[in-house]
Amino acid sequence: DTAVSQTPKYLVTQMGNDKSIKCEQNLGHDTMYWYKQDSKKFLKIMFSYNNKELIINETVPNRFSPKSPDKAHLNLHINSLELGDSAVYFCASSLRGTTEAFFGQGTRLTVV
Amino acid sequence: GQQLNQSPQSMFIQEGEDVSMNCTSSSIFNTWLWYKQDPGEGPVLLIALYKAGELTSNGRLTAQFGITRKDSFLNISASIPSDVGIYFCAGPFDGGSQGNLIFGKGTKLSVKP
Repeated sequence: DTAVSQTPKYLVTQMGNDKSIKCEQNLGHDTMYWYKQDSKKFLKIMFSYNNKELIINETVPNRFSPKSPDKAHLNLHINSLELGDSAVYFCASSLRGTTEAFFGQGTRLTVV
Repeated sequence: GQQLNQSPQSMFIQEGEDVSMNCTSSSIFNTWLWYKQDPGEGPVLLIALYKAGELTSNGRLTAQFGITRKDSFLNISASIPSDVGIYFCAGPFDGGSQGNLIFGKGTKLSVKP
C-alpha cells in the first residue's frame, strides 16, 4: 500500500552514463515533483509537473529531464552523469492547488 | 531569493525533555509545513499550518504559524527515542499554493534514553 514509490533505492554508476529513476504514486494526485537532497541534507526542488505544466528550477542542468507516461508516474532521466550529481533524489506528489507534498523513500545515486 | 532559516541546527536532549525549534523567512508564507525525516527514508509530513496565528497539534507535537507570517515554531513535548531524526520546515515557493516547496536546512534531533 506504498503511496509514493521509487526505484531503485540505490544506484551506483560511472561518470558519463545515462540513468533513470522511476516514480509511481497511488494517491490519485495530479502533480508530481522531483527533489534533490545533498550531502548536508539540504532539500531543493528540481521539477514540478502536472498534465498541463512543467516547472523547472532554473538551477537544474538540462542533463536532467522528467518524463511522465501518465498521471501516476514521473520518471527522472539523467544524461552524462557527473560526480556532482551524487545525492539522494526524492519523488513527491500532491493534489493540484495544495501544498502538502508526500514523499517517496528516495534514491541514493552515487556517481563514481 | 527566498530563504528559510531554521534553528537550531542540532539538538541533543534527554528523553522526557521538551524541544523547541523555529523557522524564519525573509518573505511572507501562506502555508507552513513541518516534516520529519528518519535515516534512509523520505520526509514525512507532521503538521500543516494555513493561517497566521494558527496553533495545531499532532500528538506530542505542536506547531504555530507566526503572526507576521514570516515564522513558524515546532514544539515536541516529553521526547522519546523515536523522535530522533531531522525536522524540516517548508513553505511554498513565492507564496504559491502548490507543493513546490522551499525547505529549511533542518534541525537534527538526538534523544538520549
